[in-house]
Amino acid sequence: QQQVKQSPQSLIVQKGGISIINCAYENTAFDYFPWYQQFPGKGPALLIAIRPDVSEKKEGRFTISFNKSAKQFSLHIMDSQPGDSATYFCAASIDRSGSRLTFGEGTQLTVNP
Amino acid sequence: NAGVTQTPKFRILKIGQSMTLQCAQDMNHNYMYWYRQDPGMGLKLIYYSVGAGITDKGEVPNGYNVSRSTTEYFPLRLELAAPSQTSVYFCASSYSKPGGEFFGQGTRLTVV
Repeated sequence: QQQVKQSPQSLIVQKGGISIINCAYENTAFDYFPWYQQFPGKGPALLIAIRPDVSEKKEGRFTISFNKSAKQFSLHIMDSQPGDSATYFCAASIDRSGSRLTFGEGTQLTVNP
Repeated sequence: NAGVTQTPKFRILKIGQSMTLQCAQDMNHNYMYWYRQDPGMGLKLIYYSVGAGITDKGEVPNGYNVSRSTTEYFPLRLELAAPSQTSVYFCASSYSKPGGEFFGQGTRLTVV
């Protein structure tokens, strides 16, 4: 059972544009939603995370928007740069119980110069 | 800063062979994890450990074994390699609980 669905699978954006990646989850007990960034040949690295008590979290050019009623959250990358080209994974867990992360399938982002 | 170190980086195995993927972390993290990453499939948890001497199965444990005799090391053992185990394997660690894991650079394994 795929508990976290991520879309799109791949995304091409022009430099300076906005990249948007969406995730939907099924388990309403999830209460921790991180995003990971992975460059080719490297392991994933935590980018930004949100908890459901807020609807938005911003760190520099990266913003997570969270819609609890729709069970959806998204990553927005403003002013996208070629250096942002990577694979992005959303994930979810039940933080209170220390449960393991469930990952989405990943989105390969390409930012053209 | 070493972080999480995985060895080897690449390996080709023949069907039926065995091998151990090594993982070491120098951050004194209690939690350690093994994931496999298949194209278009995200990361799937194989095994995890919440401390030395304690291990538990993840989503896809079949064909693998782990041990955690110390805080630093968390090796993953493949006993009888099968083509379905061709994947990229990531070891990760976190201090107290999932979220904010530090990942190693991965081991690309091909079983032929």
